Amino acid sequence: QKEVEQNSGPLSVPEGAIASLNCTYSDRVSQSFFWYRQYSGKSPELIMSIYSNGDKEDGRFTAQLNKASQYVSLLIRDSQPSDSATYLCAVIFSGGYNKLIFGAGTRLAVHP
Amino acid sequence: DGGITQSPKYLFRKEGQNVTLSCEQNLNHDAMYWYRQDPGQGLRLIYYSQIVNDFQKGDIAEGYSVSREKKESFPLTVTSAQKNPTAFYLCASNGASKGNEQFFGPGTRLTVL
Repeated sequence: QKEVEQNSGPLSVPEGAIASLNCTYSDRVSQSFFWYRQYSGKSPELIMSIYSNGDKEDGRFTAQLNKASQYVSLLIRDSQPSDSATYLCAVIFSGGYNKLIFGAGTRLAVHP
Repeated sequence: DGGITQSPKYLFRKEGQNVTLSCEQNLNHDAMYWYRQDPGQGLRLIYYSQIVNDFQKGDIAEGYSVSREKKESFPLTVTSAQKNPTAFYLCASNGASKGNEQFFGPGTRLTVL
């Protein structure tokens, strides 16, 4: 069973703080990992992709991947109220052509 | 202005009716996908197509059908055999130049009356 697990939240952080979102996956040989942001009633928007162990930074976002622990995380620095959304982790498992498996998402609430 | 369009934005269906959701992209992407999202859940794959005139079932294909006659278009029909069709339907596409990254259209919200 190919699974992607996320804490549903809500994760509540004050404005300006670092938000840390976590995701675990079941397939040790997965190679492609993605974070999507989804505002209420809207479609998912790709914000980060990561393929190698370590950190990848893009503006206020940092994705971290640890394949040995089957763990991928997203850090949001200087969190803003506009970051309040559901964050979906998605993984392409081995043997599935570009078939994304999504977690259920973590709802983030950034309060002023 | 490149992107993925879906229509209609909202759709209401009576019991026993078939309805077709439109998905069009002008990104020159080869692969297209249909997902379904239920409240509080992740997206689940319905059908996908890697090239024109070819498509494969995803994880929850029962009660749905698709066609891929043109590269730009991948319509989804929700048939009367789909017992619980009320959901948010999302179309995505992926091009070779973007690796495995998939990009989503705005979605169609289907409600059964």
